[in-house]
Amino acid sequence: ETGVTQSPTHLIKTRGQQVTLRCSSQSGHNTVSWYQQALGQGPQFIFQYYREEENGRGNFPPRFSGLQFPNYSSELNVNALELDDSALYLCASSSRQGWVTEAFFGQGTRLTVV
Amino acid sequence: AQKVTQAQTEISVVEKEDVTLDCVYETRDTTYYLFWYKQPPSGELVFLIRRNSFDEQNEISGRYSWNFQKSTSSFNFTITASQVVDSAVYFCALSEASFGNEKLTFGTGTRLTIIP
Repeated sequence: ETGVTQSPTHLIKTRGQQVTLRCSSQSGHNTVSWYQQALGQGPQFIFQYYREEENGRGNFPPRFSGLQFPNYSSELNVNALELDDSALYLCASSSRQGWVTEAFFGQGTRLTVV
Repeated sequence: AQKVTQAQTEISVVEKEDVTLDCVYETRDTTYYLFWYKQPPSGELVFLIRRNSFDEQNEISGRYSWNFQKSTSSFNFTITASQVVDSAVYFCALSEASFGNEKLTFGTGTRLTIIP
């Protein structure tokens, strides 16, 4: 196990609703990244948070937003859900102490939008 | 823009056979990092290896080995004497070498099935 935990593990929402996904990073890690993985695809970078500020964003609309808390845990919020938002959402934590290090992933939250 | 291509969508081999997973990447950066991750059915991405673009030495870790060839922009992964537990989806990924930047660009993955 990586020590990165995500909740909930599964979620079903209706189109137009809002959802919040949560991630607790591995102890000692100060950077959290979120990825969306559609069925049969590789993960796509959504955004990254470092010391409570967004630090890099992928090609996702503003209705995807996030937060990082002082304990380095994080939330991903998605507003106005669309059917195409159905995916596995992965959180990864890493320690920003130098050049690129390995990111440790949680088991993900599988979101289904109906 | 960065891009990772894993042309092999699915591979099936009989247990104990060797198997190589291909990865080709594109980047304009002169310094970058390459990764391989394993994704079992549980969904969690398991880190296997990180390699920076300055280090073209091949690496071996038990039954796993990696061949990095900068000239062909490839970073291939070989499993020797495959086992059923190796069945999973494997992803190759690329990251720019910015300080503390862990943004990963993933390929579409290769589903590996080891037949007992």
